[in-house]
Amino acid sequence: RKEVEQDPGPFNVPEGATVAFNCTYSNSASQSFFWYRQDCRKEPKLLMSVYSSGNEDGRFTAQLNRASQYISLLIRDSKLSDSATYLCVVPGGNNRLAFGKGNQVVVIP
Amino acid sequence: NAGVTQTPKFRVLKTGQSMTLLCAQDMNHEYMYWYRQDPGMGLRLIHYSVGEGTTAKGEVPDGYNVSRLKKQNFLLGLESAAPSQTSVYFCASSYPLRVSYNEQFFGPGTRLTVL
Repeated sequence: RKEVEQDPGPFNVPEGATVAFNCTYSNSASQSFFWYRQDCRKEPKLLMSVYSSGNEDGRFTAQLNRASQYISLLIRDSKLSDSATYLCVVPGGNNRLAFGKGNQVVVIP
Repeated sequence: NAGVTQTPKFRVLKTGQSMTLLCAQDMNHEYMYWYRQDPGMGLRLIHYSVGEGTTAKGEVPDGYNVSRLKKQNFLLGLESAAPSQTSVYFCASSYPLRVSYNEQFFGPGTRLTVL
């Protein structure tokens, strides 16, 4: 099983709708998880961190399911500016982070 | 406060040529990383450093060398470029990784094409 797995999509979502996607991880001992956002031809930037069961920041909600070893990201009331690739990130050991391939979100007017 | 900067932004090389990519950070971070990003492959770690004078291999180190002579700089070298090294290269830096804080700050990337 890969360290981090994501369905690349694309996830096409109408403007104003809700979109959600999951990320699975292999290391059951992981304590912290992250979602990074990457715009087209730009660098990744931290969106939110998840340390316990979940985290919420405005229209964005991240949830953690330790029993099934997955993290989810939900975006409510999608905006055109939410179009990006969302990278799931898990500590990979040896002082590094393991990045998923990303979920591509396309918000359609 | 410039954050993480990378030089150059774009480069075209011929097979067999060499070059050095420069990464600089002004956040006094201990850790620095070099990644490559290819379509459908995600970010893959090439080399990283946990402090001045130290380097370590990541998951795809072959064909690359690195040096961390100063805390603020991390250099990535390609001694003999190959078309397979055509990619976007990102540098990142962070404080030492720990449970409660692991944000990595990325530079804007270097787009390298090897012909």
